[in-house]
Amino acid sequence: LAKTTQPISMDSYEGQEVNITCSHNNIATNDYITWYQQFPSQGPRFIIQGYKTKVTNEVASLFIPADRKSSTLSLPRVSLSDTAVYYCLVGEIEGRRALTFGSGTRLQVQP
Amino acid sequence: GAVVSQHPSRVICKSGTSVKIECRSLDFQATTMFWYRQFPKQSLMLMATSNEGSKATYEQGVEKDKFLINHASLTLSTLTVTSAHPEDSSFYICSASSSLAAGEQFFGPGTRLTVL
Repeated sequence: LAKTTQPISMDSYEGQEVNITCSHNNIATNDYITWYQQFPSQGPRFIIQGYKTKVTNEVASLFIPADRKSSTLSLPRVSLSDTAVYYCLVGEIEGRRALTFGSGTRLQVQP
Repeated sequence: GAVVSQHPSRVICKSGTSVKIECRSLDFQATTMFWYRQFPKQSLMLMATSNEGSKATYEQGVEKDKFLINHASLTLSTLTVTSAHPEDSSFYICSASSSLAAGEQFFGPGTRLTVL
């Protein structure tokens, strides 16, 4: 499984765009990039998943450069409720495989 | 969407007692469920993979006789912490994969175990 590296923490203010970058230099051809969000004392929640270029859904965008050695989760106009830990995971899409969580990025949104 | 529940959400027990945690997939069948443990300010660590109708596969360092896993049906997996000790106090989270969304795993809300 490809190892991921993320910033330990980030601070932002309400209304700002937040970009969290994840490095995964050893990503394999069949690996996808998935981001999860976790609030305190809750299970992780799926945010977005992609393989290359750009993916957008109702909550976030995921930018993946051509070499796929990194990815950036973009949260537009964050609010206080976006304060959470964000995990970047890399691996094959196969529901029977467990997920390997890295250290995650603790995002603190201030008013 | 796919929903996974856990019960109880919080449990406090005395040292030496056993605690059972249930993980249910409410609206889908899950042939595979996973159990994770998370200590404060740390990431999730996989404990074991639970397959319906077969023995669980434990990660290195996880005692299978202490953490008993049973996956008797396609919608229920249980984790029993036997003879719990204070160092077993943690946040236990299960997840399940759904055929509805290949590659996406759905996590339960977690169970906070406190052993006195």
